[in-house]
Amino acid sequence: KNEVEQSPQNLTAQEGEFITINCSYSVGISALHWLQQHPGGGIVSLFMLSSGKKKHGRLIATINIQEKHSSLHITASHPRDSAVYICAVRDYGGSQGNLIFGKGTKLSVKP
Amino acid sequence: KAGVTQTPRYLIKTRGQQVTLSCSPISGHRSVSWYQQTPGQGLQFLFEYFSETQRNKGNFPGRFSGRQFSNSRSEMNVSTLELGDSALYLCASSSSGGVYGYTFGSGTRLTVV
Repeated sequence: KNEVEQSPQNLTAQEGEFITINCSYSVGISALHWLQQHPGGGIVSLFMLSSGKKKHGRLIATINIQEKHSSLHITASHPRDSAVYICAVRDYGGSQGNLIFGKGTKLSVKP
Repeated sequence: KAGVTQTPRYLIKTRGQQVTLSCSPISGHRSVSWYQQTPGQGLQFLFEYFSETQRNKGNFPGRFSGRQFSNSRSEMNVSTLELGDSALYLCASSSSGGVYGYTFGSGTRLTVV
């Protein structure tokens, strides 16, 4: 079983829809990151969370430490949001502070 | 300020050769970490350097190595290349080992033929 699980793997939405991407993890963490990767490979760090909720523009990220679960929400989605969204956790257990990544959620927003 | 710079952007090598990739972090960042991304395995941690010292290493064979220089620039080296080493190699820099987040480079796409 992967230490970081994301769902769904693929997501197609119509422009304007509210989108939720989920991330569950099984290790003890010090922080959780949400990353965005566009075709071509470059990765942008969207959020780093250790508790609660953060908001940046139309993006909202939440984390529940007790349930080991995080969600990334996109309000009023737009075709430019089409990308792969990756959840990563910084593990301070056996992996000695490495980043452990989920497999990513490929989002396609249709106009 | 300038972002994280990785060179080269694309590289084609033959099996058995070795390759060196370079990463220049954001000015002032002392931590550089390296990652491999393949379609099958996704993103995987390779190693992390802080002030010229390797702090963490992922589960990769000894053919993968790295170093960091006094100006925080980092290189990673892969010796005796295998077809399975074909991947996007990404580096990220941070000011304090990722405590305040990471800034990623655009990656080096390595193809081994």
